[in-house]
Amino acid sequence: EVQLLESGGGLVQPGGSLRLSCTASGFIFSDYALTWVRQAPGKGLEWVSSISSYGPSTYIADSVKGRFAVSRDNSKNTLYLQMNSLRAEDTAFYYCGLAVTGPFFDYWGQGTLVTVSS
Amino acid sequence: DIQMTQSPSTLSASVGDRVTITCRASQSISSWLAWYQQKPGKAPKLLIYEASSLQSGVPSRFSGSGSGTEFTLTISSLQPDDFATYYCQQYNNYPRTFGQGTKVEIK
Repeated sequence: EVQLLESGGGLVQPGGSLRLSCTASGFIFSDYALTWVRQAPGKGLEWVSSISSYGPSTYIADSVKGRFAVSRDNSKNTLYLQMNSLRAEDTAFYYCGLAVTGPFFDYWGQGTLVTVSS
Repeated sequence: DIQMTQSPSTLSASVGDRVTITCRASQSISSWLAWYQQKPGKAPKLLIYEASSLQSGVPSRFSGSGSGTEFTLTISSLQPDDFATYYCQQYNNYPRTFGQGTKVEIK
């Protein structure tokens, strides 16, 4: 059974940093691309960043470019999102998504909440 | 960036109704479109990919159609479990973009 478990969310002050993790099981982690999608409370879905199966290719939304970085450790079956210079508008649930059938999201984690506030 | 526009934003319907949600892309995305369902407090769930392919395990009352810039998600007979918010998403290129969502409410 495919499982994706996000962690690392919490309350952080504006300008602070946080690293999110998404630990996976139930599939061959290194074979698939992964994505971070976020959702501000009560709002719609926003794509944040994607990384290819072996990590040479990464893509990032303009809204977080220069502040966020995606990476993966295939030996630990873990996806990361390093978030720096956090702003109030980064407050959201952050989900990791797995692309198996095609370049869309067959599986999702349960999400982790990041709150940026003083 | 490709803009995705859904209509309507909110839809009130009754159990048994046929429901149609429209998604328009600001430029052609061929058939590279997915539909997701999201319930409050839950992660999204994939329903349809490549505009019209039904994800495994999704009830056959859900169907998708369209290509190019105009797409529809249809629920042939609305069930109590279908009251949720629905999002379209293009994966023709980066950045991936979602529609703003359509909330299906009980009439």
